[in-house]
Amino acid sequence: DTGVSQDPRHKITKRGQNVTFRCDPISEHNRLYWYRQTLGQGPEFLTYFQNEAQLEKSRLLSDRFSAERPKGSFSTLEIQRTEQGDSAMYLCASSPDRGSAEAFFGQGTRLTVV
Amino acid sequence: GEDVEQSLFLSVREGDSSVINCTYTDSSSTYLYWYKQEPGAGLQLLTYIFSNMDMKQDQRLTVLLNKKDKHLSLRIADTQTGDSAIYFCAESRAGAGSYQLTFGKGTKLSVIP
Repeated sequence: DTGVSQDPRHKITKRGQNVTFRCDPISEHNRLYWYRQTLGQGPEFLTYFQNEAQLEKSRLLSDRFSAERPKGSFSTLEIQRTEQGDSAMYLCASSPDRGSAEAFFGQGTRLTVV
Repeated sequence: GEDVEQSLFLSVREGDSSVINCTYTDSSSTYLYWYKQEPGAGLQLLTYIFSNMDMKQDQRLTVLLNKKDKHLSLRIADTQTGDSAIYFCAESRAGAGSYQLTFGKGTKLSVIP
């Protein structure tokens, strides 16, 4: 399978716990994005990486959220001290380098904070 | 500010054409997209159009762009039950560097057999 892969697909956690999600982009895609989607809404942009550099962050990305892409391949999104409002689908997308506007999404990680 | 709006629901009979509409406010939008999302799944890129085009056709899908009115539509010919899903309109700007997408809330298409 050469698509964008996300792990886990589902995560249930207690409020206050930390969680970490992983995204493996399509091979050789330099651009990687994280989005958050809540029920009944479209996805909202969280952050963007060009290779290992995090170049853009949304105001939605509070200081409890941190994202990394240490070697320019897979990426992790960590949420510390989770709150019920963090419950959402977290989507990862990747895109080839300059000149392509196509972004391909993974299946997402559904987070439920109880 | 940037905003993308869509009607929330559309119901059509199998075999008919579906037309899903979208309006956007950012006049500097460079690309406009249609994504499909089935229940519990990620987003599937259906098609996209560059802002200097006014039409793009791909098999059963036809995208029309009216840049003056900032209106985008997706026509699905011969709609099938497998087309039942949520369809998202999105826009991005090349000048932003990242091509980050701004999405509408989605149109839920229900196909009646």
